[in-house]
Amino acid sequence: GAVVSQHPSRVICKSGTSVKIECRSLDFQATTMFWYRQFPKQSLMLMATSNEGSKATYEQGVEKDKFLINHASLTLSTLTVTSAHPEDSSFYICSARDPSGHTTDTQYFGPGTRLTVL
Amino acid sequence: GESVGLHLPTLSVQEGDNSIINCAYSNSASDYFIWYKQESGKGPQFIIDIRSNMDKRQGQRVTVLLNKTVKHLSLQIAATQPGDSAVYFCAENIRDTGNQFYFGTGTSLTVIP
Repeated sequence: GAVVSQHPSRVICKSGTSVKIECRSLDFQATTMFWYRQFPKQSLMLMATSNEGSKATYEQGVEKDKFLINHASLTLSTLTVTSAHPEDSSFYICSARDPSGHTTDTQYFGPGTRLTVL
Repeated sequence: GESVGLHLPTLSVQEGDNSIINCAYSNSASDYFIWYKQESGKGPQFIIDIRSNMDKRQGQRVTVLLNKTVKHLSLQIAATQPGDSAVYFCAENIRDTGNQFYFGTGTSLTVIP
């Protein structure tokens, strides 16, 4: 149980285009999902908390107009990188809490999406 | 935000030996901690967790120790195997702040056959 998927797993785009990344909880409902980015050989950095039915909460220094988050259902959150530039190239990972799990605080992570902006 | 890693420390151990991976956390209000394992190109995988009202927790081949006095966590892996080679992160959480987790620097573990 507690499986989180992401799509696509890898995307290459031209500078200036927008890219949408999907995060799905496959076998549970997640009222809250989280988006992280990770640069090579570095730790995960929390970008934002995605709340179902309401606005996302962004961490300090993360541009909300640059990284649009939509949590339209209890099983899907999307991250759209708008007007992507090479410096946005990174590994984007989502996670979700399973509120029905025996350990409700535990977060389960998706497999990540590798974004490369040319 | 919390501490963010810049460069990954590395640890090499011989297959069959025990491994100890350390993590210093930054917020004394953190009350829940998780160790994650991340293999190259994949998302983090849950290993073991511990709450702040405990100082030790054991799983299968893994033990987590928590020292709140010095804000330090360690992960002990017994009889390390080649499949344990990965990057290990500790993550800290303050329950009442919305369940956000903040990750430590991470340690790259290499198991030598």
